[in-house]
Amino acid sequence: DARVTQTPRHKVTEMGQEVTMRCQPILGHNTVFWYRQTMMQGLELLAYFRNRAPLDDSGMPKDRFSAEMPDATLATLKIQPSEPRDSAVYFCASGSTPGLAGGKADTQYFGPGTRLTVL
Amino acid sequence: AQTVTQSQPEMSVQEAETVTLSCTYDTSESDYYLFWYKQPPSRQMILVIRQEAYKQQNATENRFSVNFQKAAKSFSLKISDSQLGDAAMYFCAYKGGNTPLVFGKGTRLSVIA
Repeated sequence: DARVTQTPRHKVTEMGQEVTMRCQPILGHNTVFWYRQTMMQGLELLAYFRNRAPLDDSGMPKDRFSAEMPDATLATLKIQPSEPRDSAVYFCASGSTPGLAGGKADTQYFGPGTRLTVL
Repeated sequence: AQTVTQSQPEMSVQEAETVTLSCTYDTSESDYYLFWYKQPPSRQMILVIRQEAYKQQNATENRFSVNFQKAAKSFSLKISDSQLGDAAMYFCAYKGGNTPLVFGKGTRLSVIA
């Protein structure tokens, strides 16, 4: 049963510390998305990649957030320095474009999320 | 820009009964996808059902079915024989062209035993 994995599942850190969240997309998927969910804002798209290339990261605060895909099996979201307002659940999702294997095209499959608390 | 509206912040249903969650969207595209995701207290986002806009037939997945009205830009989710495990937040989402998913604000469904 293929699924998206995310680590860590929970992270508590202090303001100013660096936070790195990792995501392993479903094998064969070529699109990866990072979302943030808070009670106030709901689900927000932070960034997404297709074939490891960043297509849109306009949802990310550029001064402190960065997203990368070092290879096809790993996506990272980094916050440096972290702030209390970054506290949220961060989701990674993966999908495939039409013509590729690994689930129905244009459907996003979500990981379990990373719950981040910044004190 | 596309928007998705879920007009019911909260709904409740008696166990074994049927409930319908509403969703409307705004788009100028003719080819797109619509989704319903379920988010239980565990926070996992689970795909419930998917509909391609070019298909006239409404999608069904076991107890879950949709009423897709393309002209009205409406995409409601019907849950039949509701179970306690159906209690969750339900999100309607739209995807068109090369754009990512656009989510509604969600509807919190409670199931009463």
